[in-house]
Amino acid sequence: AQKVTQAQTEISVVEKEDVTLDCVYETRDTTYYLFWYKQPPSGELVFLIRRNSFDEQNEISGRYSWNFQKSTSSFNFTITASQVVDSAVYFCALSEAGAAGNKLTFGGGTRVLVKP
Amino acid sequence: EAGVAQSPRYKIIEKRQSVAFWCNPISGHATLYWYQQILGQGPKLLIQFQNNGVVDDSQLPKDRFSAERLKGVDSTLKIQPAKLEDSAVYLCASSSGGQGRGWRYFGPGTRLLVL
Repeated sequence: AQKVTQAQTEISVVEKEDVTLDCVYETRDTTYYLFWYKQPPSGELVFLIRRNSFDEQNEISGRYSWNFQKSTSSFNFTITASQVVDSAVYFCALSEAGAAGNKLTFGGGTRVLVKP
Repeated sequence: EAGVAQSPRYKIIEKRQSVAFWCNPISGHATLYWYQQILGQGPKLLIQFQNNGVVDDSQLPKDRFSAERLKGVDSTLKIQPAKLEDSAVYLCASSSGGQGRGWRYFGPGTRLLVL
């Protein structure tokens, strides 16, 4: 069964500091997809990034970057130079390609509070 | 392009009452999902439709929850009768891709409070 764990429940930083969110996943599939979503106070889930299990290349997209390491089943996410608008709950999620319906399993979320 | 639409945005009912939520996915998206998000937790899949067929409803409490997507477009989720523990945000999402690749676009959600 697939499982996603986000050990950090809440992180508080001062604006312009970097924030790294941890995500550890469990899966028996060799093909799977990992996602990060942002949920601002408005409640809507906003897609941020997606990686597939065959691509461990870590990239940077604007102020976002991620560190995917299959050896440790981790998919960490970093916000560089945080801004107040980054305050939200961030969810890591996993989808197994072989699972019926490609079920998307979410972690419990990490609340990020960026103070001015 | 228009996003996923949901209504109502908020609903307050008393326990044992019935309630229904509506979702209109992004045009052309064959896959539609209903998630339940209890306060402080991540969303949990309740049911997934591919066109008008059910792909996965393993976590849907079928004794009280039902969902349909009759014409393969919009969908309704019903709770009858509601319990206190059903208080949550109900999120609808849609996607066009299969095999886990597709972006799931989420609607704004319906916040349900059962008193």
